[in-house]
Amino acid sequence: NAGVTQTPKFRVLKTGQSMTLLCAQDMNHEYMYWYRQDPGMGLRLIHYSVGEGTTAKGEVPDGYNVSRLKKQNFLLGLESAAPSQTSVYFCASSLRGGGTEAFFGQGTRLTVV
Amino acid sequence: AQSVTQLGSHVSVSEGALVLLRCNYSSSVPPYLFWYVQYPNQGLQLLLKYTSAATLVKGINGFEAEFKKSETSFHLTKPSAHMSDAAEYFCAVSEGTSGGGADGLTFGKGTHLIIQP
Repeated sequence: NAGVTQTPKFRVLKTGQSMTLLCAQDMNHEYMYWYRQDPGMGLRLIHYSVGEGTTAKGEVPDGYNVSRLKKQNFLLGLESAAPSQTSVYFCASSLRGGGTEAFFGQGTRLTVV
Repeated sequence: AQSVTQLGSHVSVSEGALVLLRCNYSSSVPPYLFWYVQYPNQGLQLLLKYTSAATLVKGINGFEAEFKKSETSFHLTKPSAHMSDAAEYFCAVSEGTSGGGADGLTFGKGTHLIIQP
């Protein structure tokens, strides 16, 4: 019963490098989300998807791109990493939007030097 | 637009004492409200949620929260704190698409709960 799985768990990047974070869920959820967590800031929504093939911007989308080619996967890309993107990234999924429970992955700790 | 304010970045209580974590929200439509808990180096876990049914919501691990529309509050309480309750707690609000914004959760900045032996 895996739930939401994020890959990788840790990563160090140099400024300007690119990378992709993978999120996979096995609960057949329609909605998927990417958040970033920074000290004293709570979690902020980067991008989200309401179904396969759809994506939408959240509160802090700049510098990130996403894709949802398969229902169970939601990819977060950084094309040219910056130190300001040092953060812990969480993926979440929910059956629907609104009042349904969101299930979170364990997080990816990304450091950009 | 929706927003959440959590009063107190750190709250310290003695083991066995009442836990009270404060949350106030702002929403242009009737909101969905949530409390999540995060243990060190882990993801978030749902404690409880309000979705316009009963105003007093009971959750896991003995926690409960009361929705007060007149005060725009959703404070989290537990009668008797346990050492295992030490964690980061997040209040969150969702309007869904009714509020015209992104269809995701808006989180408060979190409250770190410290349990003194």
